[in-house]
Amino acid sequence: ETGVTQSPTHLIKTRGQQVTLRCSSQSGHNTVSWYQQALGQGPQFIFQYYREEENGRGNFPPRFSGLQFPNYSSELNVNALELDDSALYLCASSRSMGNTGELFFGEGSRLTVL
Amino acid sequence: AQRVTQPEKLLSVFKGAPVELKCNYSYSGSPELFWYVQYSRQRLQLLLRHISRESIKGFTADLNKGETSFHLKKPFAQEEDSAMYYCALSSGSARQLTFGSGTQLTVLP
Repeated sequence: ETGVTQSPTHLIKTRGQQVTLRCSSQSGHNTVSWYQQALGQGPQFIFQYYREEENGRGNFPPRFSGLQFPNYSSELNVNALELDDSALYLCASSRSMGNTGELFFGEGSRLTVL
Repeated sequence: AQRVTQPEKLLSVFKGAPVELKCNYSYSGSPELFWYVQYSRQRLQLLLRHISRESIKGFTADLNKGETSFHLKKPFAQEEDSAMYYCALSSGSARQLTFGSGTQLTVLP
């Protein structure tokens, strides 16, 4: 069983730039959620994708957007980067049917905004 | 709005001693609570969920609705229990998780 994979693992951007982060869900999972984890904090929910549509969103501005593809992989896009966007971005996948509430996390993409 | 509070950032205990990691929540609905753990150089993973009422690696957690708490307990800590522990509450149509800020547990030899 292939786990959740994310790319890139690390990246550095400057303020105002745009970034795209990628995630491949675990085999058999059709739902992908994205979380932002600032240093010293717990993960914070950004949004979730199911059947290629946004299925829930946390308290993040519209410059945070996403996509889900037919193979259930997903992208997180952040426009007009700000210094506070520096964080670890975690992708998590799950099943929609028989969902016990368990999320399976990737190792994350660490974004630094200068 | 829902909120999860873990009052201890750091907790150290000696091997064989009991350990309790505190978690309090605020939620207007019926809570669904989890403990996630992150061992060194590993990804975040589920430890246990309150609905299952199970013991995993010797850990248990009881939901106390009166005190709005979901503390994680283990009677005899082991060195391999050293990790970051996050309490989380599930809510919303997406069953998104609201995490606490985490407790770094260190079990000393």
